Amino acid sequence: SSELTQDPAVSVALGQTVRITCQGDTLRSNFASWYQQKPGQAPVVVIYGKNNRPSGIPDRFSGSSSGNTASLTITGAQAEDEGDYYCSSRDISRNVVFGGGTKLTVL
Amino acid sequence: QVQLQESGPGLVKPSETLSLTCTVSGGSMKSYHWTWIRQPPGKGLEWIGYVDDSGSAKYNPSLKSRVTISLDMSKNQVSLTLNSVTAADTAVYYCARSVFVAAQNWFDPWGQGTLVIVSS
Repeated sequence: SSELTQDPAVSVALGQTVRITCQGDTLRSNFASWYQQKPGQAPVVVIYGKNNRPSGIPDRFSGSSSGNTASLTITGAQAEDEGDYYCSSRDISRNVVFGGGTKLTVL
Repeated sequence: QVQLQESGPGLVKPSETLSLTCTVSGGSMKSYHWTWIRQPPGKGLEWIGYVDDSGSAKYNPSLKSRVTISLDMSKNQVSLTLNSVTAADTAVYYCARSVFVAAQNWFDPWGQGTLVIVSS
C-alpha cells in the first residue's frame, strides 16, 4: 500500500513561518488533507483539497502541493499551534493513508 | 452542527470481538462516507475502514480479514466490529464523517474517541 512520509519533529520560533511536509507517490494525483491534534483531543482538519480552510481555522494556515510533496505552512506561528500534525490522502485503490505525524514545537 | 459520539466497552479480552458504535447527531448521514480511525497510545493515526451511505464498505488491507463496518441510518449509527483482538489492537478509536470528492478527501468532524484496552 502507499505510504506518506513526514518529518517526526519540527520547531519554529514564535511568530515565524514553518512548513510541514508530507511525501508520497499518491500525492502526485491526490490532494492531501491536514489535521492538527493536541494532547488528549481528537484531530481537527485544518486544510483540505488544493488549499481550503474549514470555518474557524485561522488564515495563517495554508496548503500547497508540488509533485509528490504536500506542504502545510503556518505563517506567524502562535503558541496555540503546538501539537501533532498529520497528513492524509487516498491511494489508487481508494485506501486511506495517513502520514506518521509531525510534532510541532513553538519556541 | 453535526456531532459524533463513540461508545462501547473500554476493555476487551484477547481473542474476543471489539464492538463499537458511533452515533451521529445534528445532521443527515446521506451523501457522506463514515470512517473509523484508531490511534495506539503514543502513536500515529491508522485508517481502519469506511462505509458509504449505501452501506458499501472498504477496509484497510492489513485489517480486512477481521473488520466489519456497517451503517444503520434509521438509528443514525455506524458500527465497527474487530474480531480476534490482541494487545496490538489497544487504541483510541475515532469515527469521522468523511468526504471523498474527486482527488480530495477529508475527515470532519471527528468524534471525541474512545479508548479500548485489550487485556485479560
